[in-house]
Amino acid sequence: GIQVEQSPPDLILQEGANSTLRCNFSDSVNNLQWFHQNPWGQLINLFYIPSGTKQNGRLSATTVATERYSLLYISSSQTTDSGVYFCAVKETSGSRLTFGEGTQLTVNP
Amino acid sequence: ETGVTQSPTHLIKTRGQQVTLRCSSQSGHNTVSWYQQALGQGPQFIFQYYREEENGRGNFPPRFSGLQFPNYSSELNVNALELDDSALYLCASSTDPRNTIYFGEGSWLTVV
Repeated sequence: GIQVEQSPPDLILQEGANSTLRCNFSDSVNNLQWFHQNPWGQLINLFYIPSGTKQNGRLSATTVATERYSLLYISSSQTTDSGVYFCAVKETSGSRLTFGEGTQLTVNP
Repeated sequence: ETGVTQSPTHLIKTRGQQVTLRCSSQSGHNTVSWYQQALGQGPQFIFQYYREEENGRGNFPPRFSGLQFPNYSSELNVNALELDDSALYLCASSTDPRNTIYFGEGSWLTVV
């Protein structure tokens, strides 16, 4: 099956700093989503981005499907950005979302 | 607000028992999937239903079973619970398997 690798596994920032999270995947996909999981377990959909670039406030994401990677940018980080960020992909021929292991982000005041 | 609601939010069961978890999706969401997330790991795909038929299954034993109903609700049933079944169970839905997938808040299951 498809492999999904996220980096870095852990990231600690001071409030106001910028960061870039990376997701590499091993095969063609027709669905790629970035999620933020809050401390209560809720997976909050950030972006549906199988290709191209999108922006939503302080967050933006870029997926280069031909090179099989996606980047999530967080600018001017806030303490409420803390949590685990997951990249999940779905193969062109499959029905499941395959998740990476996540990036644990901690933003300190 | 994702429009996906799950119940119960927390429950404790004894090894060997059976459990039913429920999920209600938005109108028009024909596709529902269930995922298991153990502590410190990413969610793992259990199975998917599309228009009330199972159309994909992950590496889970047959004691994990499901149903999808015409009113966009679904169930996950787990028989003969084992300690390793302790996890967060997430329901996800979408209008089509290729579209944005939305997750519910999950059901935390503890097996003792």
